[in-house]
Amino acid sequence: DIQMTQSPSSLSASIGDKVTITCRASQGISTYLNWYQHTPGKAPKLLIYAASNLHNGVPSRFSGSRSGTDFTLTISTLQPEDFATYYCQQTFSSPFTFGQGTKLDIK
Amino acid sequence: EVQLVQSGAEVKKPGESLKISCQGSGYKFPNYWIGWVRQMPGKGLEWIGVVYPGDSDIRQSPSFQGQVTISADKSISTAYLQWSSLTASDTAIYYCARRGGGDYGDAFDFWGQGTVVTVSS
Repeated sequence: DIQMTQSPSSLSASIGDKVTITCRASQGISTYLNWYQHTPGKAPKLLIYAASNLHNGVPSRFSGSRSGTDFTLTISTLQPEDFATYYCQQTFSSPFTFGQGTKLDIK
Repeated sequence: EVQLVQSGAEVKKPGESLKISCQGSGYKFPNYWIGWVRQMPGKGLEWIGVVYPGDSDIRQSPSFQGQVTISADKSISTAYLQWSSLTASDTAIYYCARRGGGDYGDAFDFWGQGTVVTVSS
């Protein structure tokens, strides 16, 4: 199985901050990397697909990038509704594993 | 509008069987893979597997092989996740999600609301 390692596991930030979350794949996955936002009590929500493509309706403050097997989710200006847990997921080969998650909370 | 509606919360005893469902609407159900994801209490998301309703093809994580059964009935636009004998470790929230296809990097683009399964004696 391909292992996905996110860092950090948790992160405290303030409204208006710029935040970066990283996800590293244990082997090459091309651009088959997706990012989700998950708030307790709600269904996960797709933010970014294929490493850098913004899903429909997702605010432009979210962006994704790739460098080899390292992937980055950036939130340019944190808003109150962005405090949640973020997961990466590879869809290069089955099983399509998730990272362990990064919990973003308010400083 | 694409929607995935899951069956309601379940409380079961160890050893009992269970089948939960996920009904899709607003799109051509047979043409998109449907996946299942587990979230155990206080833990992250885990990919269980996917089913293609058009021909019932299944891809399943080795971690869940033999533990659960994934299926689909395209005639009623519904996917299923079932257990023959539950254990306490099956206590979790289970989400279904539509795999968006190649144009979306095979990401899960629409999700159900989740089904809470509690297994306790």
